[in-house]
Amino acid sequence: GAVVSQHPSWVICKSGTSVKIECRSLDFQATTMFWYRQFPKQSLMLMATSNEGSKATYEQGVEKDKFLINHASLTLSTLTVTSAHPEDSSFYICSAHYGRATEAFFGQGTRLTVV
Amino acid sequence: AQSVTQLDSQVPVFEEAPVELRCNYSSSVSVYLFWYVQYPNQGLQLLLKYLSGSTLVKGINGFEAEFNKSQTSFHLRKPSVHISDTAEYFCAVTIDQTGANNLFFGTGTRLTVIP
Repeated sequence: GAVVSQHPSWVICKSGTSVKIECRSLDFQATTMFWYRQFPKQSLMLMATSNEGSKATYEQGVEKDKFLINHASLTLSTLTVTSAHPEDSSFYICSAHYGRATEAFFGQGTRLTVV
Repeated sequence: AQSVTQLDSQVPVFEEAPVELRCNYSSSVSVYLFWYVQYPNQGLQLLLKYLSGSTLVKGINGFEAEFNKSQTSFHLRKPSVHISDTAEYFCAVTIDQTGANNLFFGTGTRLTVIP
């Protein structure tokens, strides 16, 4: 149980285009989802926290207009990287949580490469 | 705020030898501690967690960790490693008892098991 699926697992896009990444909780309803970014050989940095039906809370330094987060249902959150640039190339990981759990459950991650 | 330090960025070890991956944390309040494993181009998988109770925590794949409050440490150990244990290991801490919010990650330790 408690499976989180992230799609796509990798994507290559041209500079200036937008990319949408999906994070789904397959067997539970996620009240909260988190989006992280991981640069090569570095740790995970929290980008934003989203609660179903409300606006996401972004961490300091994360551009909310560039990284659009939507959490329209209890099983789906999306991260859209708008007008992507090569410096946005990174590994993006989502996690999901439900009320009684004592941990967050992570997706497989998405490798984004902007060329 | 909380912080996590993983002093060893890389740990090479021979197959069937024991290993210890170090993790120290900083916090002015009680914390909950986690160890995650990340295989190449994949998300994070929970190895074990300390929430309360016994300070010696056993996890999956034969790993265990001991919470030492006086030394503010949560070192991960395995008595005999296998080739398949080669991966990146992250220690994480939070003051949130759900284990989901405000999760701070260390910079990771790359464990390489040598045949």
